[in-house]
Amino acid sequence: TQLLEQSPQFLSIQEGENLTVYCNSSSVFSSLQWYRQEPGEGPVLLVTVVTGGEVKKLKRLTFQFGDARKDSSLHITAAQPGDTGLYLCAGAAESNYQLIWGAGTKLIIKP
Amino acid sequence: EAGVAQSPRYKIIEKRQSVAFWCNPISGHATLYWYQQILGQGPKLLIQFQNNGVVDDSQLPKDRFSAERLKGVDSTLKIQPAKLEDSAVYLCASSFPRGVYQETQYFGPGTRLLVL
Repeated sequence: TQLLEQSPQFLSIQEGENLTVYCNSSSVFSSLQWYRQEPGEGPVLLVTVVTGGEVKKLKRLTFQFGDARKDSSLHITAAQPGDTGLYLCAGAAESNYQLIWGAGTKLIIKP
Repeated sequence: EAGVAQSPRYKIIEKRQSVAFWCNPISGHATLYWYQQILGQGPKLLIQFQNNGVVDDSQLPKDRFSAERLKGVDSTLKIQPAKLEDSAVYLCASSFPRGVYQETQYFGPGTRLLVL
């Protein structure tokens, strides 16, 4: 059974600080996606990474896919209260492309 | 472009009662998913439809859960009878396959179910 472990589970920091959240597995994925979910809403796709070692930037968010396509990280620079939410990673299984979901990192940015 | 619509947004029932959720995907999206998201966990796929056919229902508790997607558009998910552990958010998502590994799923706001 493929599993995706996210860490930390919960993170509360002050506005302006930097942070990194991680998504790790022992399995290889064909691609990996990061979603953000706000209270009362469904997840919204932020980015898809496909190639090992790939780095994508979305304003203050930097996403990296591990060289072996088993792990990923999300780095936020100068966090803002609007970044608050649940960050979920989801990997596409190589065998059938079904998404395997992590449990999420709940991020709170205090003004 | 209208997003994925779900109703109701909230539902409170007693255990052993039945409940149904409705989902209207984005127009033109062939693939529809139902997920269960328990508080503090990531979404768990219950069932995936491609048009009106089932692609994956391996994690659907078939003794109490059922889902259908008539005419390949709207879908309903039913629970009968409900148990306390069914309390969760039920998310519907849809996608238009572009390249399998780059498929983007668009989620509705979810239905929050509380079973008492």
